Parts: sequence; structure tokens; C-alpha cells
Amino acid sequence: SQQGEEDPQALSIQEGENATMNCSYKTSINNLQWYRQNSGRGLVHLILIRSNEREKHSGRLRVTLDTSKKSSSLLITASRAADTASYFCATDAFLEGGGADGLTFGKGTHLIIQP
Amino acid sequence: NAGVTQTPKFQVLKTGQSMTLQCAQDMNHEYMSWYRQDPGMGLRLIHYSVGAGITDQGEVPNGYNVSRSTTEDFPLRLLSAAPSQTSVYFCASSYRAGMGYTFGSGTRLTVV
Repeated sequence: SQQGEEDPQALSIQEGENATMNCSYKTSINNLQWYRQNSGRGLVHLILIRSNEREKHSGRLRVTLDTSKKSSSLLITASRAADTASYFCATDAFLEGGGADGLTFGKGTHLIIQP
Repeated sequence: NAGVTQTPKFQVLKTGQSMTLQCAQDMNHEYMSWYRQDPGMGLRLIHYSVGAGITDQGEVPNGYNVSRSTTEDFPLRLLSAAPSQTSVYFCASSYRAGMGYTFGSGTRLTVV
């Protein structure tokens, strides 16, 4: 079953505004990752936040993680037309003994930046 | 570096046919995985591998086989294609546990 659920499913804003997307998940995690997918293309890794981190920045991206609520948010500041894409959160599950068993994705938020 | 290379980019199969989707990476990544993406469903994990000779099932493994004889290659085999396997398939790799993944550009498969 899907681990993460993004909210909203679709978001349309004006260029220059900030865009916020939320993600909820169900199980214990090692880290949570955000990916971007342009139409018809593969996914591009944006940012990773570990379970012991609460906030992380990368350029115009800001990610927060609240493990008590099992939720994360992705903020894109000063949006540009080129930010138009689908954004997915993905969780890397916590496994006893370490290791990894692949990512579990949400259904994504489709972001449209109006010029 | 080429990153993660998937071939073919497009494929049409008839029900019952078999085929292999190829995935190769040149980054010496230990972790590799296959996902399928269906409209409105996000990506779902089919199979994954934590190193050469080691594979395991993901969320939706039925109808698919994998093997990992080398670090670089992780082919996905469809044993007897069904219309329900119409999807876009992505291969991804990661250097080790706890790091971000690099995705291939995908294979769009249609089963008629």
C-alpha cells in the first residue's frame, strides 16, 4: 500500500509566490526524500531529510519533518515557471539491523506555476 | 557518467509474450530497484537488490522476475505479459542505504 499521501493533489500559483506541499506517512522511517518529475520524464532527487533532523534547506527548497505526526512539508520559495512538475515524497523505511528495502512513494502533488 | 540507463524507452507487447527491461548504472551503486508508475497511483516498488546476487520482492512483485549478477545491471523480466502490466517502469539506484536515488528515464510499456 502507499506509504505517503501528499496534500494537495494539485496546486496552481502565480510565479514568484511560494508553494507548500505536505506529505504524511505511516511507519517508522530512516529518512524522507522529495523528488520532482517533469511530464514524461524520470524522477529527480531534490532533498533528503533524516529522521533525526527537523528542517533542511537547499537553495529555494525548505523541508521540515515531524516524526511525532509522521508528516513532512516541502516549501518552494519564489516559484518559477520551470518549477511546474509533479512532486513526490518517498520514505526510506527503518529496518532492524539497518539496510534499505527501496522507497515507498506517495501519489504526488501536481504543481503548476502560472507566468 | 551516463547515470541510470533504461532500454527500451517504449515497448508494445501482446498478451502472453515475455520480455526483459534492461537497467544499467555506471556509478558503482549497491542498491537498485524497479518501480512501476500508474496514473493516480504514484510509484510502487516491484523488486529491489542490495547488491550483486541479492534480490527481494517489493510491494507488487507478481508477474515479474529479477536477477543481479553484476553490480551494474538489474534486468526486469516479464514472464507472461498481461494488460494489467501496462505502465511506465522506472529503475533507480543508490550508492548505499540512506541516500537519495538516481532514476532512469523510464520504459513505457503497453500490453495489448
